[in-house]
Amino acid sequence: GAVVSQHPSWVICKSGTSVKIECRSLDFQATTMFWYRQFPKQSLMLMATSNEGSKATYEQGVEKDKFLINHASLTLSTLTVTSAHPEDSSFYICSARDRSASAKQYFGPGTRLTVT
Amino acid sequence: QKEVEQNSGPLSVPEGAIASLNCTYSDRGSQSFFWYRQYSGKSPELIMSIYSNGDKEDGRFTAQLNKASQYVSLLIRDSQPSDSATYLCAVNKWQGGKLIFGQGTELSVKP
Repeated sequence: GAVVSQHPSWVICKSGTSVKIECRSLDFQATTMFWYRQFPKQSLMLMATSNEGSKATYEQGVEKDKFLINHASLTLSTLTVTSAHPEDSSFYICSARDRSASAKQYFGPGTRLTVT
Repeated sequence: QKEVEQNSGPLSVPEGAIASLNCTYSDRGSQSFFWYRQYSGKSPELIMSIYSNGDKEDGRFTAQLNKASQYVSLLIRDSQPSDSATYLCAVNKWQGGKLIFGQGTELSVKP
């Protein structure tokens, strides 16, 4: 149990285009999902917290107009990187909190984004 | 002071030994504590959770929590080369809140 999927697992896009990443909880309901970014040899950086049916809460320094988050259902959250630039190239990871299990978060496999 | 602190390592242990990973946290009101394992190029995987003082064992893993000292540790018995990874300590201040991660400790188990 507690499986979280992400799609795509990797993507290459041109500078200026937008990319959408999907995060799904496959066998549990997740009222809250989190989006992280991780650069090589660095720790996870929380970008935003996504609650089903409401606006995402962004961490300080994260541009909400650039990183659009939608949490349309209890099993799906999406992150759209708009007008991507090479510096947005990173490993994007989502996690989902099981609403029935206290505070545990399960991570998706991650999406490696390369912007050329 | 960082909210969650870990030694970055690398921590090197021989195969079969006990690996001891440590973590301290600053907020005395923290409620939930987790250990994640992250292999290079992969996402973190939850391996242990602990909520009350004392020890919690799961196979070769033992998590230890001491709230008075604001300290949580992870022991890995009979370490294997496959345990080589970065171990992330994470703390949750309240059930609905976000996880605060340490910077991770890199563990290397030598055959």
